[in-house]
Amino acid sequence: DTEVTQTPKHLVMGMTNKKSLKCEQHMGHRAMYWYKQKAKKPPELMFVYSYEKLSINESVPSRFSPECPNSSLLNLHLHALQPEDSALYLCASSQDWATPDTGELFFGEGSRLTVL
Amino acid sequence: GIQVEQSPPDLILQEGANSTLRCNFSDSVNNLQWFHQNPWGQLINLFYIPSGTKQNGRLSATTVATERYSLLYISSSQTTDSGVYFCAVEGRSNYQLIWGAGTKLIIKP
Repeated sequence: DTEVTQTPKHLVMGMTNKKSLKCEQHMGHRAMYWYKQKAKKPPELMFVYSYEKLSINESVPSRFSPECPNSSLLNLHLHALQPEDSALYLCASSQDWATPDTGELFFGEGSRLTVL
Repeated sequence: GIQVEQSPPDLILQEGANSTLRCNFSDSVNNLQWFHQNPWGQLINLFYIPSGTKQNGRLSATTVATERYSLLYISSSQTTDSGVYFCAVEGRSNYQLIWGAGTKLIIKP
């Protein structure tokens, strides 16, 4: 069982579509993350939200737009994606961010995205 | 930046065998975490272990921070242990997790 839930688990979209990935955590964590993972590679950090504010944007193209409506929810809006954006998108949360003890990182099951 | 190296890159074992996975890092860190990614992509946090030794069932981990390495021990392997094991460290200067390339473990029945 995971305490970070992501929807949808699978998504196929065309390059002109607009879609959103959703993530929810109920652990009271103050930091939430989006990671992108390509096959046979470790996860790559995309965004970090701390206390609902965007803290890190790892030079992600603007076709990816994050949103943190409240402390439990994190969305990733997708628009005009390219086939090379096909990947596993992972949401995660931790107790804190940018402190000497951020706590364990908990991941959702991921959203597997295919861009045609 | 911090470099994280994991070894071995691949490991194939028979069910019931024991294994040791290693993670070396190049600088002082705030914390170190071990993760298991199953074949369906789910990443599970195994240990949050900046130093010392922890045990959880058949798994245990030891981090020697002064010598900049961590070891993950898996005893009496089961087929469900298959997957990729990642080590990730948090640097002291920018609080971002730096990931190793992973160790792919295959447990054969």
